[in-house]
Amino acid sequence: GENVEQHPSTLSVQEGDSAVIKCTYSDSASNYFPWYKQELGKGPQLIIDIRSNVGEKKDQRIAVTLNKTAKHFSLHITETQPEDSAVYFCAAGFSGGGADGLTFGKGTHLIIQP
Amino acid sequence: EAQVTQNPRYLITVTGKKLTVTCSQNMNHEYMSWYRQDPGLGLRQIYYSMNVEVTDKGDVPEGYKVSRKEKRNFPLILESPSPNQTSLYFCASSSRTIQPTGELFFGEGSRLTVL
Repeated sequence: GENVEQHPSTLSVQEGDSAVIKCTYSDSASNYFPWYKQELGKGPQLIIDIRSNVGEKKDQRIAVTLNKTAKHFSLHITETQPEDSAVYFCAAGFSGGGADGLTFGKGTHLIIQP
Repeated sequence: EAQVTQNPRYLITVTGKKLTVTCSQNMNHEYMSWYRQDPGLGLRQIYYSMNVEVTDKGDVPEGYKVSRKEKRNFPLILESPSPNQTSLYFCASSSRTIQPTGELFFGEGSRLTVL
């Protein structure tokens, strides 16, 4: 089955700086890569996703890049703000029919220092 | 408001005492799923359901049961809870049917402690 590794487990950055979280996956058949943000006391919420037919996707201060050859994808947050403090999960899955196939990474606790 | 509602949000129980965590969604989603979240282990899927009367095991199904008699409800049943089931549980739903590429909508979580 799919295995998703996520690094780092904790990331502390100064407010205004950029943050990068990296994930690798093992199954070359995976073609869908979402990122979820979990604020304290709440359930995870989708913030951005990318499919394997593109290499990069941006949404304001958030971007995701995908390298299919190396089987890794990354979340980039620019100009970090206090509200970016949360746990972030990457995931990998296969779009194409059959049983459920989303596998999550172990999460990154992002801390924005004022 | 579109939401996934879990109950109870917090529960302390004792080993062996059967309990049910309810989950209900109001978005008419076909797909529903249960996850547990543990420190250092991230989100692990327990069971999922592609539609009414269709359920299947996830990665960590041991000690859990589910049922899907109605589209909106997907309860998680612990027949004989044990301390290793102490965890934070999330229910999620999605409009995806065959393809796992729809957005997952999560509930706010149920923190369970088994003594």
